[in-house]
Amino acid sequence: GAVVSQHPSWVICKSGTSVKIECRSLDFQATTMFWYRQFPKQSLMLMATSNEGSKATYEQGVEKDKFLINHASLTLSTLTVTSAHPEDSSFYICSARVSGGDEKLFFGSGTQLSVL
Amino acid sequence: GDSVTQMEGPVTLSEEAFLTINCTYTATGYPSLFWYVQYPGEGLQLLLKATKADDKGSNKGFEATYRKETTSFHLEKGSVQVSDSAVYFCALSPPFGNEKLTFGTGTRLTIIP
Repeated sequence: GAVVSQHPSWVICKSGTSVKIECRSLDFQATTMFWYRQFPKQSLMLMATSNEGSKATYEQGVEKDKFLINHASLTLSTLTVTSAHPEDSSFYICSARVSGGDEKLFFGSGTQLSVL
Repeated sequence: GDSVTQMEGPVTLSEEAFLTINCTYTATGYPSLFWYVQYPGEGLQLLLKATKADDKGSNKGFEATYRKETTSFHLEKGSVQVSDSAVYFCALSPPFGNEKLTFGTGTRLTIIP
């Protein structure tokens, strides 16, 4: 089946620094990618929808200037957490949608971010 | 808004035991319902789905029935194996599309030999 590669799998950073998370579709082109986050003991929540070549659509309550999403190619989307703070510590997961015919979602393995 | 309430884990069972992971939902209309599984070190994978009331989704010995009257989609397996150890997520999406998924919290399942 289709594979979505997400890196890094975990990252620890200092407060105030920026962190970039990459999501790549390895064997298919993904016109749409999604970014989720999950705080401890809470649900996996959609943060934003990213379409190749256009601006991302953010869910209510998600700061677009803090969580920068770039989807410059059909196989790569990046999420940059700018000026990270401890409350941004969370599990971030991307998914990519295969379009045309039987549409399906494929997920990355997730990134655990810890901000000190 | 839409929401999914899932049985809290972790759940630990012996091999060959019967498994039930409860999932209930709140949504308008007739959403599609899903169970996703995440094995260690891997991404979430679709395990099974149901798109209308009374539908039964099944895969790899797992089953779940879309119960509109109880707004539930409980996951069951008659005899679990060590290889079933994973995190299981219940989710829903609006009718006719799986673009915007609403997930539960996930249930970590550990099967001991």
